[in-house]
Amino acid sequence: AQKITQTQPGMFVQEKEAVTLDCTYDTSDPSYGLFWYKQPSSGEMIFLIYQGSYDQQNATEGRYSLNFQKARKSANLVISASQLGDSAMYFCAMIRGILQGAQKLVFGQGTRLTINP
Amino acid sequence: AAGVIQSPRHLIKEKRETATLKCYPIPRHDTVYWYQQGPGQDPQFLISFYEKMQSDKGSIPDRFSAQQFSDYHSELNMSSLELGDSALYFCASSLYPGVTGYTFGSGTRLTVV
Repeated sequence: AQKITQTQPGMFVQEKEAVTLDCTYDTSDPSYGLFWYKQPSSGEMIFLIYQGSYDQQNATEGRYSLNFQKARKSANLVISASQLGDSAMYFCAMIRGILQGAQKLVFGQGTRLTINP
Repeated sequence: AAGVIQSPRHLIKEKRETATLKCYPIPRHDTVYWYQQGPGQDPQFLISFYEKMQSDKGSIPDRFSAQQFSDYHSELNMSSLELGDSALYFCASSLYPGVTGYTFGSGTRLTVV
């Protein structure tokens, strides 16, 4: 069975600093994908970044990058130059068998990030 | 760009009542997923549809049912509502086989009183 573990329930970071949110996963599937989503207090689930298990390079999207270490089964999210608007809950999620169609996401427990001015 | 549309945004129902949540996927997306997120919890998968057929099922109570229509929109029907059904219900859509454009709607917040 798949499992996603986020070991940081909460993090506090000063504005403009970089922050790393941890995510480890467990799966026996050779083909899978890893997502990060941001959920502000308003509740919507905002897509940030995606990494496929066969992607050779780490994914980047603006200030977000994914530090993908396949052998260690980790997919940490790095946010550079944090902003006050980054304060939110962050979820790591995995999708299995990305070529097998219509797959659900399995989420981690989430990390609540607070950016201090 | 068009997003996943969910309606209503907020819903208040009494115990034992019925609720219907609607989801309109991104145009051309053929797969719809439903998730339930309880207070302080991570989202849990309920059910998914591909080309109007159920493709996967999670821990969806028997009191809940869902379908996808010919225009690809989907409805989640919840009957005999219980206090524990109070949650944020997300719909997501994607283009088969499930990674391309996997996008969530803004959610429907259901409160059962």
